[in-house]
Amino acid sequence: DADVTQTPRNRITKTGKRIMLECSQTKGHDRMYWYRQDPGLGLQLIYYSFDVKDINKGEISDGYSVSRQAQAKFSLSLESAIPNQTALYFCATSDGGTNEKLFFGSGTQLSVL
Amino acid sequence: RKEVEQDPGPFNVPEGATVAFNCTYSNSASQSFFWYRQDCRKEPKLLMSVYSSGNEDGRFTAQLNRASQYISLLIRDSKLSDSATYLCVVNSPSGGSYIPTFGRGTSLIVHP
Repeated sequence: DADVTQTPRNRITKTGKRIMLECSQTKGHDRMYWYRQDPGLGLQLIYYSFDVKDINKGEISDGYSVSRQAQAKFSLSLESAIPNQTALYFCATSDGGTNEKLFFGSGTQLSVL
Repeated sequence: RKEVEQDPGPFNVPEGATVAFNCTYSNSASQSFFWYRQDCRKEPKLLMSVYSSGNEDGRFTAQLNRASQYISLLIRDSKLSDSATYLCVVNSPSGGSYIPTFGRGTSLIVHP
């Protein structure tokens, strides 16, 4: 079983719909991240959480919200999806520390029509 | 200016070639540095950490130059399977902590 699991793997939706992407991990890590990737671009940070009570905006948080339901679960919501939110979304975890390494889920391809 | 910058390439090299990528970062207080590999539309996977003393893992060598604020990745004896995008990641200060920040990635194509 994957250590970091994202659902769904693919989603097609219409403009204005509310969408939730889910991420769960079995690594026991406190830190969780949501990134989006557009073709030809690197990963841009949407939101991150260092523990259940700590939520922080990343560089591109507008139009997104998150919920950290438990140490193992971190969900990303698009309240009213728009076409330029079409992208590949990755969840990642890490244990922090001075040499922090990221572990990724397999990604969710979201298409907003 | 982006915090972490990479030449997007693509670098198109024959099998057996040696190829090098650089990555520059803007915040001198950045703490730790990594190279990740990403295959098309797959999740990034850690390739190696990068240290000032340099580190080597088989055909791959990574180096950090703090004075000039860049990191490098050298791949010797390129294989077809090395074709991928190589992402530079820098843990940069943000709000009292450090956040992993990605470059755009450098595309490598190794051809027969």
